[in-house]
Amino acid sequence: QQQVKQSPQSLIVQKGGISIINCAYENTAFDYFPWYQQFPGKGPALLIAIRPDVSEKKEGRFTISFNKSAKQFSLHIMDSQPGDSATYFCAASKVYDGSRLTFGEGTQLTVNP
Amino acid sequence: EAGVTQSPTHLIKTRGQQATLRCSPISGHTSVYWYQQALGLGLQFLLWYDEGEERNRGNFPPRFSGRQFPNYSSELNVNALELEDSALYLCASSSWRRSSYEQYFGPGTRLTVT
Repeated sequence: QQQVKQSPQSLIVQKGGISIINCAYENTAFDYFPWYQQFPGKGPALLIAIRPDVSEKKEGRFTISFNKSAKQFSLHIMDSQPGDSATYFCAASKVYDGSRLTFGEGTQLTVNP
Repeated sequence: EAGVTQSPTHLIKTRGQQATLRCSPISGHTSVYWYQQALGLGLQFLLWYDEGEERNRGNFPPRFSGRQFPNYSSELNVNALELEDSALYLCASSSWRRSSYEQYFGPGTRLTVT
């Protein structure tokens, strides 16, 4: 059972544009939602995370928007740069259950110069 | 501050053999998680260790096992290797007991089964 669905599978954006990646979850017990960035041959790097008590969180050029009623959350990358080209994963977990992460399928982002 | 470290970087084994992968968490973290990243299957949770105990496991057969040592480092053992076990094995650590839920990943061990 795929509990976290991520879209799009791939995304091409021009330098300076906004990249938007969406995720939807099924399990209403999830209460922690991180985003990871992964470059080829590397482990995932934590970008930003949100709990359901807030609807938006911003760190630098990265913003998470969270819609609890729709069971959806998204990552916005402002002023996208070629160095942002990587695979992005959303994830969800239940903190009381040790926070084991359930990942989305990933989005391959390409930012053209 | 040193991040999560894993060894070896690459491991090549033959079907039926056993593989042992090692992980050292960030200093101060007591929780260690193992994930498998296989082509076409994404990132899947394998095991969670905290304070030396196995706390949770994912939907993997019993030939995937491990342990956590008193210094909180961990090892993952995969017995009776199968071709489909070829994947990147990622270790992550967190300070879950201190209500800090961020998981930080190591660079992974690339396991190839021939």
